[in-house]
Amino acid sequence: AQTVTQSQPEMSVQEAETVTLSCTYDTSESDYYLFWYKQPPSRQMILVIRQEAYKQQNATENRFSVNFQKAAKSFSLKISDSQLGDAAMYFCAYRSAPGANSKLTFGKGITLSVRP
Amino acid sequence: DAGVIQSPRHEVTEMGQEVTLRCKPISGHNSLFWYRQTMMRGLELLIYFNNNVPIDDSGMPEDRFSAKMPNASFSTLKIQPSEPRDSAVYFCASSSVPGISYEQYFGPGTRLTVT
Repeated sequence: AQTVTQSQPEMSVQEAETVTLSCTYDTSESDYYLFWYKQPPSRQMILVIRQEAYKQQNATENRFSVNFQKAAKSFSLKISDSQLGDAAMYFCAYRSAPGANSKLTFGKGITLSVRP
Repeated sequence: DAGVIQSPRHEVTEMGQEVTLRCKPISGHNSLFWYRQTMMRGLELLIYFNNNVPIDDSGMPEDRFSAKMPNASFSTLKIQPSEPRDSAVYFCASSSVPGISYEQYFGPGTRLTVT
């Protein structure tokens, strides 16, 4: 079975600075998807960014980018120019490739605080 | 699109009572997922459906939990009888098969408190 590990329970960043959230996973599959979800105090789960394992290029969405290291099974999220609205819980998630089991496996999450 | 709709948003009930949580997936999506979130266990998948058929219910904690999807636009998660340890936030999510990366879109969640 696949597992997702987020070893840092909490992190803090100064507004306008850059922060990196770590995630590692374990799988025997070669094709899969990885996601970062954001959960603000409203509880709504919001998709931040996704990465297809077959793509070597790291995904980027505005201020959010990932560092995907397939051999190391590492998938970190970098938030640039941090804003107060980035304060939330962030979850890393794994999903098997299309046609296989389509459930998401989540890490425990990391709470990010942004200091003004 | 209205997104995934869940009701109620909050539910407070007494131990032993039946609780029914409801979900309306995004129109056109044919996969539906029920998750439970607690401080201790994080986000856990309880069950998911493809085309209204339950595919994996291995996450359902025990026989007190049951889920149905009578049609493509409606699903229920029922707990009978409820216990205080069932207190959690329950999320419903849907996705399109096939779809771009099979992304799952989450509803706002139902916060259940069992006293």
